[in-house]
Amino acid sequence: NAGVMQNPRHLVRRRGQEARLRCSPMKGHSHVYWYRQLPEEGLKFMVYLQKENIIDESGMPKERFSAEFPKEGPSILRIQQVVRGDSAAYFCASSPLVVRRNTEAFFGQGTRLTVV
Amino acid sequence: AQKITQTQPGMFVQEKEAVTLDCTYDTSDPSYGLFWYKQPSSGEMIFLIYQGSYDQQNATEGRYSLNFQKARKSANLVISASQLGDSAMYFCAMREGSGAGSYQLTFGKGTKLSVIP
Repeated sequence: NAGVMQNPRHLVRRRGQEARLRCSPMKGHSHVYWYRQLPEEGLKFMVYLQKENIIDESGMPKERFSAEFPKEGPSILRIQQVVRGDSAAYFCASSPLVVRRNTEAFFGQGTRLTVV
Repeated sequence: AQKITQTQPGMFVQEKEAVTLDCTYDTSDPSYGLFWYKQPSSGEMIFLIYQGSYDQQNATEGRYSLNFQKARKSANLVISASQLGDSAMYFCAMREGSGAGSYQLTFGKGTKLSVIP
């Protein structure tokens, strides 16, 4: 859905560098979800954030990955000291309320991270 | 066990023909929702259709319909009158539960559909 804006669309980082991925939710949405898509795989849940709160980070790798959603500005997914295995597409979705069973998740266009 | 299984890595269909993409799911929760997304080569995830576990009728959205067989735990996507623009990856996904904690989508590995002119 064009309403969820992610940038950059493509990001190339050398091993050991930091990657910062940004997600601006749709207007009026205060809940953000990050998913990762490894090559040839479906999307896998990483983290769920509300403004200034991490609600569920059960899908986040324990090290090097962090996420935030400040009161002002976009949500940021930060990967420190990137490795080749971090190469993937990272998608953000947003919702106005807590997502219920039948609530469509509006996805951004994704950021494709390539680690060289 | 896989929660969402898409057994067809790739499918071919002739333009204007109908095609069925398979999806089976595994859950013990009586309340769940099933989604299909399309991912073209440009990469975005496009929502196609939704089916709720309590819905009595199969969902339809234009050329897309969902063949929901609850007892078999299958939710196959049917695309009628295929078009060249339907060539893409198709993902089946499930959201379990209906309470405040039921926000995660679990995705299958996808099926790559190629429409032949």
